[in-house]
Amino acid sequence: EVQLVESGGDLVQPGGSLRLSCVASGFSFSNYWMHWVRQAPGKGLVWVSRINTEGTSTSYADSVKGRFTISRDNAKNTLYLQMNSLRAEDTAVYYCARGKDQSHWGQGTLVTVSS
Amino acid sequence: QSVLTQPPSVSAAPGQKVTISCSGSSSNIGNNYVSWYQQFPGTAPKLLIYENYERPSGIPDRFSGSKSGTSATLGITGLQTGDEADYYCGAWDTSLRLWVFGGGTKLTV
Repeated sequence: EVQLVESGGDLVQPGGSLRLSCVASGFSFSNYWMHWVRQAPGKGLVWVSRINTEGTSTSYADSVKGRFTISRDNAKNTLYLQMNSLRAEDTAVYYCARGKDQSHWGQGTLVTVSS
Repeated sequence: QSVLTQPPSVSAAPGQKVTISCSGSSSNIGNNYVSWYQQFPGTAPKLLIYENYERPSGIPDRFSGSKSGTSATLGITGLQTGDEADYYCGAWDTSLRLWVFGGGTKLTV
């Protein structure tokens, strides 16, 4: 069974940093592109970033470019999102999703940016 | 303002059929595959349709997808109250080099 388990969400002050993790199991993690998608409270889905299978190619939404960094450790079956210079508008549930079609999603981890 | 445009809400009676539209451009829907997702409150999204009209294993054939030009449509037949959820379309945008979602459509049955 495909499983994606996010962690690392927390309450953080504006300007702070946080690193999210997404541990994958039940499939060959190194064979799939991976995405981060976020959803602010009561709002729609917003794509954040994606990374290719080797971790050599990444893309970011304009709203996070230069502040967030996506990476992966295929040996640990883990996807990461390093978030720096956090803003109130980054408050959201962050989901990791598998593959170009985002066929499987984790349960999400809540990031709250507030003083 | 989402790159892909969906109606905010649609409604239909149980047993009826409903369609949800998703309008984009040549840089996304026009030249790339469209996916559709279903999301119930407080839960993660679930893939309903990929590559325009393909259904993942376990998705009933009451759900269908189609695409024409720069627009895509999700169809749901035999509506059930359990289908009440938010539905999102998504596609890769070749010009922006990022994935784009529609704003979501709330289905009321």
